[in-house]
Amino acid sequence: AQSVTQLDSHVSVSEGTPVLLRCNYSSSYSPSLFWYVQHPNKGLQLLLKYTSAATLVKGINGFEAEFKKSETSFHLTKPSAHMSDAAEYFCVVNTGFQKLVFGTGTRLLVSP
Amino acid sequence: KAGVTQTPRYLIKTRGQQVTLSCSPISGHRSVSWYQQTPGQGLQFLFEYFSETQRNKGNFPGRFSGRQFSNSRSEMNVSTLELGDSALYLCASSANQNQNTEAFFGQGTRLTVV
Repeated sequence: AQSVTQLDSHVSVSEGTPVLLRCNYSSSYSPSLFWYVQHPNKGLQLLLKYTSAATLVKGINGFEAEFKKSETSFHLTKPSAHMSDAAEYFCVVNTGFQKLVFGTGTRLLVSP
Repeated sequence: KAGVTQTPRYLIKTRGQQVTLSCSPISGHRSVSWYQQTPGQGLQFLFEYFSETQRNKGNFPGRFSGRQFSNSRSEMNVSTLELGDSALYLCASSANQNQNTEAFFGQGTRLTVV
């Protein structure tokens, strides 16, 4: 069965420093991977998706993710954190028929 | 283009009652899926509908049911509510069932069972 594992439940950074949120996946074939963000009391917003067209995927708000098959990873990065990036981030795999399997989430804390 | 609309946003129900939640997908989207979000279990898939047919179902008891109408709007019903059903229920719509197609989420319905 396909799954994703988010390696950190919390990540704390200072404003202006890089962000790294880690995600490993488990799949016997090329997975359909996504990153979503959830701000408090809000729904989920799509940041980016991996479609196998390119291993480096650019998303909204300056976020990127790199698909590494050899490491079964799909880590999310951003060069410089903003206060508004504080939220919960979910790594997600689509297992078929729009059944999304979510990681446990990483809460990003940004301090001034 | 309007996003995914879920109504109501908040609900308080008593144990044993039943509840119906509604979801209007993005215009033109034919796939609607439902998720339950709780602090303990995280985000879990409930079911997915495409062209009025349930194509996929998660591991939830039969008290959880849903349907989709010809205009793609979907409803989710929970009967005989339990305290543990308190959660944020999220609806998502997608243009098709392609695995690479992204899902767009509504703001959710916060259900509290007392």
